[in-house]
Amino acid sequence: AQTVTQSQPEMSVQEAETVTLSCTYDTSESDYYLFWYKQPPSRQMILVIRQEAYKQQNATENRFSVNFQKAAKSFSLKISDSQLGDAAMYFCAYRSPNYGGSQGNLIFGKGTKLSVKP
Amino acid sequence: NAGVTQTPKFQVLKTGQSMTLQCAQDMNHEYMSWYRQDPGMGLRLIHYSVGAGITDQGEVPNGYNVSRSTTEDFPLRLLSAAPSQTSVYFCASSYSEVWTEAFFGQGTRLTVV
Repeated sequence: AQTVTQSQPEMSVQEAETVTLSCTYDTSESDYYLFWYKQPPSRQMILVIRQEAYKQQNATENRFSVNFQKAAKSFSLKISDSQLGDAAMYFCAYRSPNYGGSQGNLIFGKGTKLSVKP
Repeated sequence: NAGVTQTPKFQVLKTGQSMTLQCAQDMNHEYMSWYRQDPGMGLRLIHYSVGAGITDQGEVPNGYNVSRSTTEDFPLRLLSAAPSQTSVYFCASSYSEVWTEAFFGQGTRLTVV
């Protein structure tokens, strides 16, 4: 079964600086999908960025980018020019390409709580 | 476009009581699922459905029932609430294409006393 590990329960960053959140995963599949979700204090789960494993190019969404290392099974999230609104819980998630079974659901890491200092 | 709507947002139950958490989506998504979020545990899958009339168990199904009579609705039933079911519950939905994102409801904070 696939697993997702986020080894940093909490991180802190100064406003306007850059921070990287770590995520590793374990799978025997060659194709899959990876996601980062943000959960602010409002509890809403918000998609930040996604990466398809068959794409070598790292995904980028404005100030958010990933460092996807397929061989190392690593999927870190970099937040540039951090803003106060980035303070939240961040979850890394894995999704199998096998639709129709439980594998089609998201498998989450335990999360990293990010604080942003003014 | 309402997206995924969960009700209620907060609920307190006494041990042994039953209740239903409601989830509705208006995006015609095939996939729907229920997760629970506990501190330090991330989100864990309770039950899921790949379409109307089809449901299956996830990682932590004990104490919960689901049904999917329509594409839009996917209620979660707690049969006899226990303090161990104190948690935040999320309903999510997505298209069948696995590369698509899952959309989440705003969550239900449930406390069992």
